[in-house]
Amino acid sequence: AQSVTQLGSHVSVSEGALVLLRCNYSSSVPPYLFWYVQYPNQGLQLLLKYTTGATLVKGINGFEAEFKKSETSFHLTKPSAHMSDAAEYFCAVSDRLIQGAQKLVFGQGTRLTINP
Amino acid sequence: DADVTQTPRNRITKTGKRIMLECSQTKGHDRMYWYRQDPGLGLRLIYYSFDVKDINKGEISDGYSVSRQAQAKFSLSLESAIPNQTALYFCATAEGSSSYEQYFGPGTRLTVT
Repeated sequence: AQSVTQLGSHVSVSEGALVLLRCNYSSSVPPYLFWYVQYPNQGLQLLLKYTTGATLVKGINGFEAEFKKSETSFHLTKPSAHMSDAAEYFCAVSDRLIQGAQKLVFGQGTRLTINP
Repeated sequence: DADVTQTPRNRITKTGKRIMLECSQTKGHDRMYWYRQDPGLGLRLIYYSFDVKDINKGEISDGYSVSRQAQAKFSLSLESAIPNQTALYFCATAEGSSSYEQYFGPGTRLTVT
């Protein structure tokens, strides 16, 4: 079974500072990896995903993540935080179901706070 | 209009009551999912459906049932609600050939008193 661990349930950074949200996964097969964002009172929205190919993936709103197989990590970064980045972020790994379908296994979530 | 809608958005009910949460989608996707979100636990899969005739249990299906009335509709029922089913519930959809990407509804906040 696959699992995801997000290090830090709460992260606080100053506006303009680097954002780094950590995600480690376990998987016995090559994973697909995702970051989702949840703004207050909204559903989850896909930020970015890694499936195959380039290990550095870019997403919306200036976020990017790097797949590091040797470290089983998929950390999310943004060079300069903006107030609008305040949200909860979820890392997820795909898990293969029967008949080739897949489901997502989510981490616990990290709440990002931006200080003015 | 939103591609994935959920009704109701908020619901308060009493222990022992039966309640149904509804999900509709206009994306034309064949795969639909129900998750619950609890603080500190992330999202956990309750049920999923590949098409109208195919329904499967997820990791936490006890106390829940589902119905896939049509390709676009997937309902979640709590037969006899209990307080520890208080949570935020999300419906999600995915297209079959790329079903590793899922699209989420806005969620239903359910409180069982």
